[in-house]
Amino acid sequence: NAGVTQTPKFQVLKTGQSMTLQCAQDMNHNSMYWYRQDPGMGLRLIYYSASEGTTDKGEVPNGYNVSRLNKREFSLRLESAAPSQTSVYFCASMGYGRSYEQYFGPGTRLTVT
Amino acid sequence: DAKTTQPPSMDCAEGRAANLPCNHSTISGNEYVYWYRQIHSQGPQYIIHGLKNNETNEMASLIITEDRKSSTLILPHATLRDTAVYYCIVRVREEYGNKLVFGAGTILRVKS
Repeated sequence: NAGVTQTPKFQVLKTGQSMTLQCAQDMNHNSMYWYRQDPGMGLRLIYYSASEGTTDKGEVPNGYNVSRLNKREFSLRLESAAPSQTSVYFCASMGYGRSYEQYFGPGTRLTVT
Repeated sequence: DAKTTQPPSMDCAEGRAANLPCNHSTISGNEYVYWYRQIHSQGPQYIIHGLKNNETNEMASLIITEDRKSSTLILPHATLRDTAVYYCIVRVREEYGNKLVFGAGTILRVKS
């Protein structure tokens, strides 16, 4: 099992450009999450999807959109990138069960100039 | 907002036990305490979780006070590879799912 995979690993955008970050998990998990982490800070939740077909806002949703394409895939879109969105983006997934453990991907390092 | 409070940093000698404290005074009766760690800039890694009983696994032990207002993560024999940011998190249970709200965490430096 690959666990949680994210593409791309690195990306540089110019202000105003758009892009989609891709996330996939092969653990048959129902819930998926997108976080951002700014330098020296903890993770902040952008959006999450409790199950296929549902999405909800987290702490910092402004400037982002998400799509739960199917049970495996959860994408994050920046429609018009801004320098304030320079960050590392992590995707995570969680199954149901005793532990409710979240599994994280390796991250996408995004720089907006 | 994060519902936990942790010291910003701690040092520990290699081979000694590392005891990382966490306050969660507003925790509700059905909310779990989770611990994750993040090494360098990798994705966070699950360590352990608990509700009200003490828990132990191959990585660590979790001691939760009887009133559940605080907890301590114990790494019994810290190694240099345990240097990381440790996050104490309360799992927020919502109608349509579960969320983890991360705070700033504790930077643990294990020194030889």
